[in-house]
Amino acid sequence: RKEVEQDPGPFNVPEGATVAFNCTYSNSASQSFFWYRQDCRKEPKLLMSVYSSGNEDGRFTAQLNRASQYISLLIRDSKLSDSATYLCVVNGRNTGFQKLVFGTGTRLLVSP
Amino acid sequence: DGGITQSPKYLFRKEGQNVTLSCEQNLNHDAMYWYRQDPGQGLRLIYYSQIVNDFQKGDIAEGYSVSREKKESFPLTVTSAQKNPTAFYLCASSREQGRRTEAFFGQGTRLTVV
Repeated sequence: RKEVEQDPGPFNVPEGATVAFNCTYSNSASQSFFWYRQDCRKEPKLLMSVYSSGNEDGRFTAQLNRASQYISLLIRDSKLSDSATYLCVVNGRNTGFQKLVFGTGTRLLVSP
Repeated sequence: DGGITQSPKYLFRKEGQNVTLSCEQNLNHDAMYWYRQDPGQGLRLIYYSQIVNDFQKGDIAEGYSVSREKKESFPLTVTSAQKNPTAFYLCASSREQGRRTEAFFGQGTRLTVV
């Protein structure tokens, strides 16, 4: 089983739609969770951290469910500029060192 | 401005050659990472380093080597033993801040074997 799993998509949605991505992780000792955004042929950039209580940043909402070991990202009122690949990142502890583990990413395509 | 810099942006290698990709950061981060990304695929960890003079193999270390002689620098050598080196290589660094350890990436090096 992969340490971090995501649906690769693509998710094709019209402008204005609400879309949600899930990501599951296998290491129950993981402590930090992030969503990164990667545009085509570019480096990943931090979109938002994910906190236990859930957090919101404008149109983006991230949630963590420790019991079921998954995190989610909700995008409301999708814009064309939201088209990108969204990477789920989990900080897995490895003999005392927190090693970042990336999911393969979920591709989002927002159309007019 | 603090950041992480990779060079070169594009690199062409002949078969059988070793090449070294540069990664420098001035963020005072302890941890550094090298990832490989193939078209349409996710990031796979090659090597990572927690501290100077220490590094660990990731999931796909075969055919690669690294060094961490300085905190700021974590060069990656792609050796001739790497059979399929054409890929997008990303370097990242992170510093633990309590329970958060977000990573910052360089702009990547696109390596092509010709």
